[in-house]
Amino acid sequence: EPEVTQTPSHQVTQMGQEVILRCVPISNHLYFYWYRQILGQKVEFLVSFYNNEISEKSEIFDDQFSVERPDGSNFTLKIRSTKLEDSAMYFCASSEKTVMFFGEGSRLTVL
Amino acid sequence: AQSVTQPDIHITVSEGASLELRCNYSYGATPYLFWYVQSPGQGLQLLLKYFSGDTLVQGIKGFEAEFKRSQSSFNLRKPSVHWSDAAEYFCAVGFSSNTGKLIFGQGTTLQVKP
Repeated sequence: EPEVTQTPSHQVTQMGQEVILRCVPISNHLYFYWYRQILGQKVEFLVSFYNNEISEKSEIFDDQFSVERPDGSNFTLKIRSTKLEDSAMYFCASSEKTVMFFGEGSRLTVL
Repeated sequence: AQSVTQPDIHITVSEGASLELRCNYSYGATPYLFWYVQSPGQGLQLLLKYFSGDTLVQGIKGFEAEFKRSQSSFNLRKPSVHWSDAAEYFCAVGFSSNTGKLIFGQGTTLQVKP
């Protein structure tokens, strides 16, 4: 069964460092997303991406964040200068149209 | 504002007992409705979805959910819970077919007693 894969599964970084989280969406899907879940809190929408551009982003998705689909298969989330409050589980998701499939997440710990 | 509420943060049921997890949403029209399950250390797995039509939908692992427009609810049910059902359950609502953004509830942690 096709699935969304994410790397790394866990990353520890120092505050102020840049982090790139990678995702390989399901191959025939056209819509891509990033969500995050801070420990003990709701899963929150960050950004959606379609046709090589951002279609919607939340207030959380400020200038420190960016997304890219560099090679037609990967979908990346970059955090330019990490803060302590960026520590969370980051989920990538993809959809053909309306039904979203999630990866297993990348846990980011900022020290 | 659009919102999703799962009133029960934590539920404990005995194995073999029935289960109902509640979900209410706030929106002017009928949204797309989903239930996802998250086992410890795992990602979010889709259990079932409602877009339109029959208001009782069947999902994987023996789960079902019923959409009640009058109550703005989409409660998840299972007639007989198994120990492997212990997990966190998230109700999610999609309000736009253009961006596909989902809004999630707080989640309900299900504990199953032997």
